[in-house]
Amino acid sequence: TQLLKQSPQFLSIQEGENLTVYCNSSSVFSSLQWYRQEPGEGPVLLVTVVTGGEVKKLKRLTFQFGDARKDSSLHITAAQTGDTGLYLCAGAHFGNEKLTFGTGTRLTIIP
Amino acid sequence: NAGVTQTPKFQVLKTGQSMTLQCAQDMNHEYMSWYRQDPGMGLRLIHYSVGAGITDQGEVPNGYNVSRSTTEDFPLRLLSAAPSQTSVYFCASSATGPLNYGYTFGSGTRLTVV
Repeated sequence: TQLLKQSPQFLSIQEGENLTVYCNSSSVFSSLQWYRQEPGEGPVLLVTVVTGGEVKKLKRLTFQFGDARKDSSLHITAAQTGDTGLYLCAGAHFGNEKLTFGTGTRLTIIP
Repeated sequence: NAGVTQTPKFQVLKTGQSMTLQCAQDMNHEYMSWYRQDPGMGLRLIHYSVGAGITDQGEVPNGYNVSRSTTEDFPLRLLSAAPSQTSVYFCASSATGPLNYGYTFGSGTRLTVV
């Protein structure tokens, strides 16, 4: 059972454009994380959000945790070719150390 | 370099063979996990450990065994390989649990079962 659904599954845009990817669930999570994975490598943690409604910024990347703690979004401003990769969200439920990953969004930035 | 080291990087097995995927970390992390990654499925948890001597099952444990005799090592054993176990396997570790600080991942083992 896949508890975290990400959309879109694939996204290809021109360099300089803005984009948003989504991570949705019917479950409430205690925290939610975003990772980026490049070909041949393991995922690398970008951010952790723990409070409903929380917004975190990492340079051109803005992460938001939904008020109900069931969803999250990642917004990239002025995309660059270095942003190309597979973006994964991952969540954990209260009292449970297991981290569940979403299906991923494969992002391609075209120069 | 400090981090999570997985060996081998590539492996081809015949159906029915057994093998062990190695994972070692030198960060003194208590939490370690094994995930498999298949196209369109994200990462799925196989087994995890919250410290030496303690292991538990994840979402897809069938066909895999683990043990954690030391803090540093967390090997994953395939008992009798099947084509359905063709996948990329990732080992990950975390100091105090993944909820707040996330996982550090190895670079993966690509396994093909023929």
